[in-house]
Parts: sequence; C-alpha cells; structure tokens
Amino acid sequence: GQQLNQSPQSMFIQEGEDVSMNCTSSSIFNTWLWYKQDPGEGPVLLIALYKAGELTSNGRLTAQFGITRKDSFLNISASIPSDVGIYFCAGQLRSGAGSYQLTFGKGTKLSVIP
Amino acid sequence: DGGITQSPKYLFRKEGQNVTLSCEQNLNHDAMYWYRQDPGQGLRLIYYSQIVNDFQKGDIAEGYSVSREKKESFPLTVTSAQKNPTAFYLCASSIDSGSSNIQYFGAGTRLSVL
Repeated sequence: GQQLNQSPQSMFIQEGEDVSMNCTSSSIFNTWLWYKQDPGEGPVLLIALYKAGELTSNGRLTAQFGITRKDSFLNISASIPSDVGIYFCAGQLRSGAGSYQLTFGKGTKLSVIP
Repeated sequence: DGGITQSPKYLFRKEGQNVTLSCEQNLNHDAMYWYRQDPGQGLRLIYYSQIVNDFQKGDIAEGYSVSREKKESFPLTVTSAQKNPTAFYLCASSIDSGSSNIQYFGAGTRLSVL
C-alpha cells in the first residue's frame, strides 16, 4: 500500500519560534489533510488542501500541497504552549470503486518550552 | 451538538473475552471508519462502511468484527482472536462532497487487557 514519510518525528522548540514539518510520498494524492491530536483525544482537522500548488492558512498555520502532488508541508508561526501535540499528515486518493483511501503519516510530536 | 461519540472512554478486556466499542454520529454522514493507533504509529484502518448494511475490511481486520445496521452507528467488536488488543481505537465518519471526503474523528476509546 501507499506510505507517507513524515518528518521530523519529534521537535522541541522554544515558545515563539516557528515550526515546519513535512510529508512525502512515493505516489500522488488528490487531497492532503493535516490533523492535530491532543493526548488521549481524537485528531482534529486543521487544514485541507485540494489542488497541487495550493497554499492555505488557518490563523498561525500555513500548509501547502506540493506541485508534484507527492508532498505537503505545514508551518506554525510564533508557537505557543497550546500548540503541543501530535500533528498528522494524511493523503487521500479516490479509488476506482468510488471509495476514498486515507493514508496517514506516523506523526510529528511537538513540544513547546515556555 | 453534532458530532461523533465514542464510548466508553476506557475499556478493559479479560483474556478470551469479546468486547464491543460504540461509535455514534449525528452528522448524517454516509461513511464510517474504525482505526487503531499504537504509540508512535500512524492510524491503521480496521474496517470501513460506505453505506448501511455494507462494510469492508481495512488493512488490519483480523480479530475484529463490525456491523452497520443503522446509518448513525458503527460498533466494533474486538474478539478473543485479537491477541494484541491493547491500543487506542478511533472512529471517524465522512460524507462525499464530490471532490473530496473529509474524515472527522471521535475522541477515542482506550482498550487495555487485564
């Protein structure tokens, strides 16, 4: 099956710093999604990207759908303590049978030092 | 409130016992999914259902069973055949918008073996 390589695996940053993480794939996707998961909770959708080259912002978050459709990145500007959590990328592809297959990266664990 | 409700939040299973995890949604979504999450891992698909009375195996269906008798409900049974059931289980639902199919998650159930 398809695999996503998400990096870095974990990050420790100072409050106020900017953060960047990315996902790459060996195959293309139609949609890229970025989720955040707090400890003991389910993932919450942050940003959805639908077109190659698309750049989308949500507050301090910015994500881009790579031109090749095989990669995406997420940036967080001016990090704050509540940004702590695990960030997952997910690539989606519509199958010939009409169902959507979602493939997840293994996550980037973000720690923010006040 | 509209959303996806998983219960219970914590569940303990004895050896040889079947246990059932509940997932209910009032979003009028057609598709529902079950994922398993292990520490440091991405989400792995167990089963999914695109419509009532129909469901498909995901990547790790062995030792699990599901039913989809109602649109709102998609319970997951962890059978005694699943030898390593300790994990965080996430339910999701989605609706087809024509160009994409965004999945939204419940808060999860943590299953442990006694």
